[in-house]
Amino acid sequence: GEDVEQSLFLSVREGDSSVINCTYTDSSSTYLYWYKQEPGAGLQLLTYIFSNMDMKQDQRLTVLLNKKDKHLSLRIADTQTGDSAIYFCAETGGSYIPTFGRGTSLIVHP
Amino acid sequence: DSGVTQTPKHLITATGQRVTLRCSPRSGDLSVYWYQQSLDQGLQFLIQYYNGEERAKGNILERFSAQQFPDLHSELNLSSLELGDSALYFCASSGGEGSGTGELFFGEGSRLTVL
Repeated sequence: GEDVEQSLFLSVREGDSSVINCTYTDSSSTYLYWYKQEPGAGLQLLTYIFSNMDMKQDQRLTVLLNKKDKHLSLRIADTQTGDSAIYFCAETGGSYIPTFGRGTSLIVHP
Repeated sequence: DSGVTQTPKHLITATGQRVTLRCSPRSGDLSVYWYQQSLDQGLQFLIQYYNGEERAKGNILERFSAQQFPDLHSELNLSSLELGDSALYFCASSGGEGSGTGELFFGEGSRLTVL
């Protein structure tokens, strides 16, 4: 199976909260990341969480980490049409090389 | 703007041909990573260079090779191209191992189409 798994699509209405989930396999990851890819652009780091944390909040973004279940989630509050993009979960494991999930396409409807 | 520059942005070529993709990392970054993004495989790590030396290898085919030059720019060479090599190739850079949070800075990618 894949090292990092995430669902491929999520559709929400503008103003609602979006929750993107991810599971990973390598428990030695020091950092776990969420990257955002807008159309025609490269990936850009959105936020990250240190492995000894359970939660990190950054404005509209909330990251939750469940190390026992190796589950990471990204919640976007008050989702806007400008949040439409592909969101990638990534772990580094012991190699320090980020391994990415396939990405979740977030579609925000007006 | 991430500060990582990739050329060319688009490339169309035929099967059996060879192409070179170029990457200039962010100023001061010593590490360069190459990733391949395709619909069926997602984002796959190919290879990493750190200050001119190969540091890690991922799912890179033997037909592919890369190098990092003294000025830290990198090139990815793809030879004997096949239809399945059509993909978006990303270069990313970072300060290297142990560098802060390990954030990668991505270029906009080079889209390769093999006909």
